[in-house]
Amino acid sequence: EDQVTQSPEALRLQEGESSSLNCSYTVSGLRGLFWYRQDPGKGPEFLFTLYSAGEEKEKERLKATLTKKESFLHITAPKPEDSATYLCAVQAGEWSEKLVFGKGTKLTVNP
Amino acid sequence: GAVVSQHPSWVICKSGTSVKIECRSLDFQATTMFWYRQFPKQSLMLMATSNEGSKATYEQGVEKDKFLINHASLTLSTLTVTSAHPEDSSFYICSASPSDYEQYFGPGTRLTVT
Repeated sequence: EDQVTQSPEALRLQEGESSSLNCSYTVSGLRGLFWYRQDPGKGPEFLFTLYSAGEEKEKERLKATLTKKESFLHITAPKPEDSATYLCAVQAGEWSEKLVFGKGTKLTVNP
Repeated sequence: GAVVSQHPSWVICKSGTSVKIECRSLDFQATTMFWYRQFPKQSLMLMATSNEGSKATYEQGVEKDKFLINHASLTLSTLTVTSAHPEDSSFYICSASPSDYEQYFGPGTRLTVT
């Protein structure tokens, strides 16, 4: 069974304090790993897709990396508006479009 | 680009009634749409995969007769919660994919059954 585990469950940072969120996964044939941001009461907002080990993608203060067992979402010099729940999901199997989500990391950035 | 809308954004209904939720892809065509449910402080759980022109595929444990899905066109899928009960109260979110990979999510529908 495909599984996604995110850590930590919650993270509090001071503005400007860089950190990383972890997403470890066990799947049978990874098609893609996805990062989403979700604000309270809203649907997830797409951030990144990573397809193969060694791949990296950046967007503003966020950088996502992928290995064969895990992915990291690095947040550099975060701002209060980066506060949200960050979700990791995997798409596995040759033909499946199904996403399996982790439970998320709730990030709070204090000014 | 890749905008997905849902309607309504929130709905309150009485126990025993049915509620329909619409999911539209606004700027792309989607042969496949997905319906998720999210309980408070939990992650998204896939309920069903909706394919245009064919029957939906339901995840294990999801009652197909209770959660009716109709993918009427390449831009519209609907979820009808039939004979709703308080335990069906949840946040329902749809997603659509313009390709075989990325999925873009709607803003969600908050359903409260009284």
